[in-house]
Amino acid sequence: NAGVMQNPRHLVRRRGQEARLRCSPMKGHSHVYWYRQLPEEGLKFMVYLQKENIIDESGMPKERFSAEFPKEGPSILRIQQVVRGDSAAYFCASSPRGQGATYQETQYFGPGTRLLVL
Amino acid sequence: GDSVTQMEGPVTLSEEAFLTINCTYTATGYPSLFWYVQYPGEGLQLLLKATKADDKGSNKGFEATYRKETTSFHLEKGSVQVSDSAVYFCALTTSWGAGSYQLTFGKGTKLSVIP
Repeated sequence: NAGVMQNPRHLVRRRGQEARLRCSPMKGHSHVYWYRQLPEEGLKFMVYLQKENIIDESGMPKERFSAEFPKEGPSILRIQQVVRGDSAAYFCASSPRGQGATYQETQYFGPGTRLLVL
Repeated sequence: GDSVTQMEGPVTLSEEAFLTINCTYTATGYPSLFWYVQYPGEGLQLLLKATKADDKGSNKGFEATYRKETTSFHLEKGSVQVSDSAVYFCALTTSWGAGSYQLTFGKGTKLSVIP
């Protein structure tokens, strides 16, 4: 069973460029979460998506960041006009379905994309 | 809002020593609790979890008990190995009004085990 796949593993961008991070969930999983890990910090929630729907984007910066999870293909986290403060590790996690009130499901994490903005 | 506080590292232990990493939480709902482990350059792996009070999660010799009265979920292992060197994250998830179950993480505790 392939786990959560993320690519690229490492991404270098200059200030002002765009960064596109991809996440393919585990087979059979239709729910995707994105988290950001700043140096020496824990992971912070960014966005939760189902196929073709953004369910919760309360952790997303209001500008320059967007996410999608199309009907076909991977989930994409897009950062426009990157700045040095965007340098971080970005992790994607997937689960088989949304977690119901009586059944807490586990999120499975990918290896992350380490973004460096020069 | 929900939050997780775990002991600051780094923690350095000799092989076969006893490990405790403290974790306490605040949550508005009734959370499920997790420990994740991150090896250098890798993503997070679920180590263990507990979904209700007094549950004990265990895996690979690690244990943690969900203590609702003290809002704690301390991680323990009786005899650590060099291969346990990693960063350990305590986390929780609670139901959320719009149906989102985001994980809230502590800052992580780096463990180094020396031979």
